[in-house]
Amino acid sequence: QVQLVQSGAEVKKPGASVKVSCKASGYTFTSYGISWVRQAPGQGLEWMGWISAYNGNTNYAQKLQGRVTMTTDTSTSTAYMELRSLRSDDTAVYYCARDRGGSYPGLADYWGQGTLVTVSS
Amino acid sequence: EIVLTQSPDFQSVTPKEKVTITCRASQSIGSSLHWYQQKPDQSPKLLIKYASQSISGVPSRFSGSGSGTDFTLTINSLEAEDAAAYYCHQSSSLPLTFGGGTKVEIK
Repeated sequence: QVQLVQSGAEVKKPGASVKVSCKASGYTFTSYGISWVRQAPGQGLEWMGWISAYNGNTNYAQKLQGRVTMTTDTSTSTAYMELRSLRSDDTAVYYCARDRGGSYPGLADYWGQGTLVTVSS
Repeated sequence: EIVLTQSPDFQSVTPKEKVTITCRASQSIGSSLHWYQQKPDQSPKLLIKYASQSISGVPSRFSGSGSGTDFTLTINSLEAEDAAAYYCHQSSSLPLTFGGGTKVEIK
């Protein structure tokens, strides 16, 4: 069965960076993409971006351009999302999701359990 | 950017009642509209894909309809386990966007 298992909760100071991992299993990793979505406390869902696990192509939300980097390690079927220059409003649960779009962002069908990132001085 | 506007924001419903949630897109997105259910402290779960296509394992009381700019999620005969937030999501054009969500409470 498809599973996405994310790394554990993080507490960071403003200005620091965080890197969240997402290990996939139960499917051919390179046939799909990975989307990243975040949810601030008590708020809705925000699409952060997408990476093709096939060729590493990425597409990021404009508001995060320059601060976010998404990568994959096909040898371990793991995706990573790094967010730099953290601010208090980056405090959120970060989700990875399998994206049916292998060459272009599309439908996110299976989701990880989420990783809480807290930014606080 | 395509804006998705959901209504209502909140709905309190009696079990066995029918629930209708709407999602309006700021421009035409064809059928590239998907619905998710998120229960408290859980990850979103895909309910309906491409406006009306069912998902294996999702109860048949959940259905979707619409195309272009106007979409509807219907829950027939609401059950207590359906208490959750529901989100629409478009994959027609970048950036991908979500609706603001509809919280369904059981009376």
